Amino acid sequence: AQSVSQHNHHVILSEAASLELGCNYSYGGTVNLFWYVQYPGQHLQLLLKYFSGDPLVKGIKGFEAEFIKSKFSFNLRKPSVQWSDTAEYFCAVSGNTGKLIFGQGTTLQVKP
Amino acid sequence: ETGVTQSPTHLIKTRGQQVTLRCSSQSGHNTVSWYQQALGQGPQFIFQYYREEENGRGNFPPRFSGLQFPNYSSELNVNALELDDSALYLCASGRDREYTEAFFGQGTRLTVV
Repeated sequence: AQSVSQHNHHVILSEAASLELGCNYSYGGTVNLFWYVQYPGQHLQLLLKYFSGDPLVKGIKGFEAEFIKSKFSFNLRKPSVQWSDTAEYFCAVSGNTGKLIFGQGTTLQVKP
Repeated sequence: ETGVTQSPTHLIKTRGQQVTLRCSSQSGHNTVSWYQQALGQGPQFIFQYYREEENGRGNFPPRFSGLQFPNYSSELNVNALELDDSALYLCASGRDREYTEAFFGQGTRLTVV
């Protein structure tokens, strides 16, 4: 079955701490991988995406993610978080049809 | 801003009623997908429309139906509302059937009482 699993449901960090959010997926065939962020009261925004090529992808706002095919993982990282990074983060996978399968999300709370 | 707009933003309905949610796609996009996001969960795929035809459906009952119009705007209809239908409903548009990036609207918050 196609699925996405996010390891952390709720993460609390202090400003300037490093962040790593885990994501594992189960999907047959070609995969496209995404991280979306949902700030309070706002729409889902794309942070970064992986389609092919360099497995280390860089996104907006200093976020990056690494695709490790052998581990079926696509973990999100940021070296130093800010209070404004407080949001809900979703990992998602799709084939080439635009039909996204999302993880259950991770709530990140950054304390100033 | 993504250019995808949804209406209304909030809605309260009574169990058993019917509801219609609307989505205007980003300019140039001819594919639209609908997702249901229950509280504390990730979005779940309901169905997708490409050029006015259904192009895939998730695990939702037939009382969830949709339409896509010639201008590629879309509607999600839900009949016989149940309490568990309370959720944020998201619309996402893309370019062509095999698009690989979705642009989301802000969603419609539906509460069923």
